[in-house]
Amino acid sequence: AQSVTQPDIHITVSEGASLELRCNYSYGATPYLFWYVQSPGQGLQLLLKYFSGDTLVQGIKGFEAEFKRSQSSFNLRKPSVHWSDAAEYFCAVGARNAGNMLTFGGGTRLMVKP
Amino acid sequence: NAGVTQTPKFQVLKTGQSMTLQCAQDMNHNSMYWYRQDPGMGLRLIYYSASEGTTDKGEVPNGYNVSRLNKREFSLRLESAAPSQTSVYFCASSDPGQGNYGYTFGSGTRLTVV
Repeated sequence: AQSVTQPDIHITVSEGASLELRCNYSYGATPYLFWYVQSPGQGLQLLLKYFSGDTLVQGIKGFEAEFKRSQSSFNLRKPSVHWSDAAEYFCAVGARNAGNMLTFGGGTRLMVKP
Repeated sequence: NAGVTQTPKFQVLKTGQSMTLQCAQDMNHNSMYWYRQDPGMGLRLIYYSASEGTTDKGEVPNGYNVSRLNKREFSLRLESAAPSQTSVYFCASSDPGQGNYGYTFGSGTRLTVV
């Protein structure tokens, strides 16, 4: 069975500082990997995804993530955080089958200090 | 705007009452999903429908039933609500057969069982 761990429940960074959110997954084959963002009271919005090929993927809002197979990781990064990035971030791993079920991590809540 | 529509947005039930959460998508996606979101636990899959006419249990199906009414609509029913079912419920859709593995989420239903 697949699983996802986001080790950091809360992270606080200063506006303009760099950001890295950690994600580790467990899956028996090459996974599909996703990062979603959720603003308070809202649904989840897809930031970026990895299926195959280039291990560094670019997403919306200036985010990027790097797939490292040897470390079973898919960490999310942003060079300079804006106050509007404050939200909860979810990493997810998908099974390569017809059902396409995603398994989500517990989430990391990002707070941005002015 | 194209997307996933969930109704209602908020609901309060008494223990033992029943209700149906409605979900509809207008993207012609084959697969649809119901997740629940609880603090610190991320999103957990309740049921999914890989295609019209099929439904399968996810990680936490107990106490729920689903109906894939047609390709657009996928409803979630609580027959006898319990306080443990207090949660935020999200419907999502995808179309893996067309290479669309990422989910599109609805805005959620916040359910409180008292």
